[in-house]
Amino acid sequence: KQEVTQIPAALSVPEGENLVLNCSFTDSAIYNLQWFRQDPGKGLTSLLLIQSSQREQTSGRLNASLDKSSGRSTLYIAASQPGDSATYLCAVRQNSGNTPLVFGKGTRLSVIA
Amino acid sequence: ETGVTQTPRHLVMGMTNKKSLKCEQHLGHNAMYWYKQSAKKPLELMFVYNFKEQTENNSVPSRFSPECPNSSHLFLHLHTLQPEDSALYLCASSQDQLQPQHFGDGTRLSIL
Repeated sequence: KQEVTQIPAALSVPEGENLVLNCSFTDSAIYNLQWFRQDPGKGLTSLLLIQSSQREQTSGRLNASLDKSSGRSTLYIAASQPGDSATYLCAVRQNSGNTPLVFGKGTRLSVIA
Repeated sequence: ETGVTQTPRHLVMGMTNKKSLKCEQHLGHNAMYWYKQSAKKPLELMFVYNFKEQTENNSVPSRFSPECPNSSHLFLHLHTLQPEDSALYLCASSQDQLQPQHFGDGTRLSIL
């Protein structure tokens, strides 16, 4: 059974700092991996989706990498801003048909001005 | 505007009440989902509908009853809930079950 772990559970950094959020998964036979952002009291917003054949995806100040063989992904946020404060969730889809997303518990990020 | 609208945003109900959660999407998507998000637990998939047909029921208790009358609307009927059912219930939709999902803002449910 696929399990997704996100470390750390919470992170607080000063504004302007570069930071890395980690996601690991137990079964490397994945179809794709997705990073989401969730603001308090809100739903999830998709940030980046990496297919199993890709190594990384970039969107603005965000860069997500995927090392499928080691079961790891990182989300790199450059020059963090207070508006980046949110919970970041990692989810994987298995490489076996229309299987559901398996989510981690998330990392709660606070960027202090 | 997320494209996926959930109502109500907040709901407080007693254990003997019957209520329904509503989800609506106008993105032209064919798949819709119900998720449960409890504190300190990963997001849990409850139900999946694809072209109005239920394709996934993730061992959800029968006190939760989904309904998908058309591809744009999804309901979750609630009956005789327990305190541990208090959570944020999120709806999502996608073009098909392999495409990225778009989420609503959820209904915060509290069971007294």
